[in-house]
Amino acid sequence: NAGVTQTPKFRILKIGQSMTLQCTQDMNHNYMYWYRQDPGMGLKLIYYSVGAGITDKGEVPNGYNVSRSTTEDFPLRLELAAPSQTSVYFCASSFSAGGGAFFGQGTRLTVV
Amino acid sequence: QQQVKQSPQSLIVQKGGISIINCAYENTAFDYFPWYQQFPGKGPALLIAIRPDVSEKKEGRFTISFNKSAKQFSLHIMDSQPGDSATYFCAAYASGNTPLVFGKGTRLSVIA
Repeated sequence: NAGVTQTPKFRILKIGQSMTLQCTQDMNHNYMYWYRQDPGMGLKLIYYSVGAGITDKGEVPNGYNVSRSTTEDFPLRLELAAPSQTSVYFCASSFSAGGGAFFGQGTRLTVV
Repeated sequence: QQQVKQSPQSLIVQKGGISIINCAYENTAFDYFPWYQQFPGKGPALLIAIRPDVSEKKEGRFTISFNKSAKQFSLHIMDSQPGDSATYFCAAYASGNTPLVFGKGTRLSVIA
C-alpha cells in the first residue's frame, strides 16, 4: 500500500530553472494538497484540489502552478526558481475535506 | 493572519513526564481539530483528532483536551518516551471545501 508518493526526494536547482514535483496517491482520494515547510514556520498551503480538473490557490501560491488531470496525480510546477523557494515540499491527500490527510515523504528542494 | 496559534515552539520533557502542547483558534466555524506527528525526514502523520462535541479524547498515552468556550485545545502525552521526540502540529478545519490550517509546530525532545 504505497499511499502518497512524491518524487524526487531531493533536488538542487539553479536560479531561473524550472522543475515539476510529482505526487501520486493510490487511495482514490478526491482531495489533494501541496504544502511547503520552512524551519519554525509550520506548513503553508500552496495549492489544493478538490477533484480532477479543479484546483485552487492556498496561502502561498506565487511562483507555482498545479494541474489535476487525474484523481491520482497532482504535480506542482516551479517556474523560474528563486532562492525563496528553497524548502521542503509535501504533498497530501484526503478522502474528504475534513478527513485526516495522508502526507508523502517530502521533497527537499534547494535553489542556488 | 495566523488562524491557529501553537505553543510552545519547543519543549524538553524528562522521560516518564507529561508533555503538553497548546493551540488556540479564532474561527468559530472550525469543527475538526487533528494533531499530526512528524519525525525528522518524514511527512506528518495523523496522530489523534477531536470534534467540538466532546471535551476530551484519549488514545493510549495521547489525549486531546478541548475547551470550546476558550477556543483552545491541547495535546497531552502521558509517560513521555524518547520515541515520542518529534515535531507536533495542531490543525483545524471548517466544514466545506476549505483545507486544514496548521499551527507552526512544536519540537518535542524527551530526554532520559
